[in-house]
Amino acid sequence: DGGITQSPKYLFRKEGQNVTLSCEQNLNHDAMYWYRQDPGQGLRLIYYSQIVNDFQKGDIAEGYSVSREKKESFPLTVTSAQKNPTAFYLCASSTYGTGSYEQFFGPGTRLTVL
Amino acid sequence: KNQVEQSPQSLIILEGKNCTLQCNYTVSPFSNLRWYKQDTGRGPVSLTIMTFSENTKSNGRYTATLDADTKQSSLHITASQLSDSASYICVVTTSGTYKYIFGTGTRLKVLA
Repeated sequence: DGGITQSPKYLFRKEGQNVTLSCEQNLNHDAMYWYRQDPGQGLRLIYYSQIVNDFQKGDIAEGYSVSREKKESFPLTVTSAQKNPTAFYLCASSTYGTGSYEQFFGPGTRLTVL
Repeated sequence: KNQVEQSPQSLIILEGKNCTLQCNYTVSPFSNLRWYKQDTGRGPVSLTIMTFSENTKSNGRYTATLDADTKQSSLHITASQLSDSASYICVVTTSGTYKYIFGTGTRLKVLA
């Protein structure tokens, strides 16, 4: 069953803690992305990766970190430096450089800071 | 500045009625335009994609149009159903750099 999964679905964090959001895909896509979604705003790009062991900052990378050690996995760490981390986080993947570049999205993780 | 604007911000209609959502963009260079449907608390799912040369694309009760000259797109929903209640997001992809520019979405609510 092909697709992109995210876990956990809900995550609660105390102030000052780092948390890691998981994103896995079995679509054999080269590119993976992390977005943040806030009410009334469009999706904002945090980080993206076009190939393994390489990633680029998006528009709002401050306070976040990522790794891309495997093609299938692109975890996002929300650090204590992120001042307002409560949001809905979406991971996506796509082929890169070919075709229609459709992004396939995971189901999302809702992060709440207590 | 690359930008995608959607209107209206929200819309309420009765079940069975039709509606049209708008998307205006100032994105260059243009590659394609996609409409996504996002149910509350879920990830977006692609409905249609159109390239520069296409001006209409249908997916069941969803019909998207594209006017590349005026840089406008619309999504028409026919005979709405309760399950159409969702946010609809317009996304324009640039060519070359493959950037995705997201609109803020239109929140549609269909009432019985």
